[in-house]
Amino acid sequence: EPEVTQTPSHQVTQMGQEVILRCVPISNHLYFYWYRQILGQKVEFLVSFYNNEISEKSEIFDDQFSVERPDGSNFTLKIRSTKLEDSAMYFCASSVAGGRENIQYFGAGTRLSVL
Amino acid sequence: AQSVTQPDIHITVSEGASLELRCNYSYGATPYLFWYVQSPGQGLQLLLKYFSGDTLVQGIKGFEAEFKRSQSSFNLRKPSVHWSDAAEYFCAVGAPGAGSYQLTFGKGTKLSVIP
Repeated sequence: EPEVTQTPSHQVTQMGQEVILRCVPISNHLYFYWYRQILGQKVEFLVSFYNNEISEKSEIFDDQFSVERPDGSNFTLKIRSTKLEDSAMYFCASSVAGGRENIQYFGAGTRLSVL
Repeated sequence: AQSVTQPDIHITVSEGASLELRCNYSYGATPYLFWYVQSPGQGLQLLLKYFSGDTLVQGIKGFEAEFKRSQSSFNLRKPSVHWSDAAEYFCAVGAPGAGSYQLTFGKGTKLSVIP
């Protein structure tokens, strides 16, 4: 069964460093998403991406965040200068279409620890 | 803005017992409703979804959920729990519309199963 793949499973970084979280969405999917879950809190939407541009973003997704689809298979989330409060589990998701067919399939997540 | 409340943080049931996990949502119209399950080290797996029509929906692994508009609820049920059902369960709501949309999640309910 096709699945969304995220790497690495755990990333440790120093405060102020840049990190790139990687995702390989399901191959025929057209919409891509990032969510995060701070320990003990809700899963929160960050951004959605379609046709090589951002469709929606939350207020969490400020200038230190960016997303990119550098090739036909990868979808990345970059955090430019990490802060302690960026420590969280980051989930990538993809869906084949928008609207009614928008069932989002999630990866296993990348746990980001900022020291 | 939509919101989701899962009142139970942790539930423990005996194997073979019935299960009901509660979910209440806040949204101005009828939203799209989802239940996801997360096993340790795994991604969020879709159990079932409600878009419209029949208010009782069947999902995978023997789960079902009932949409009750008057109570703004979408509770998840299973008649007989198996030890492999131990996991964390998330209720989510999506606002219908064109294109992609963000999912809003509850905080999750952790299910423990006593053999």
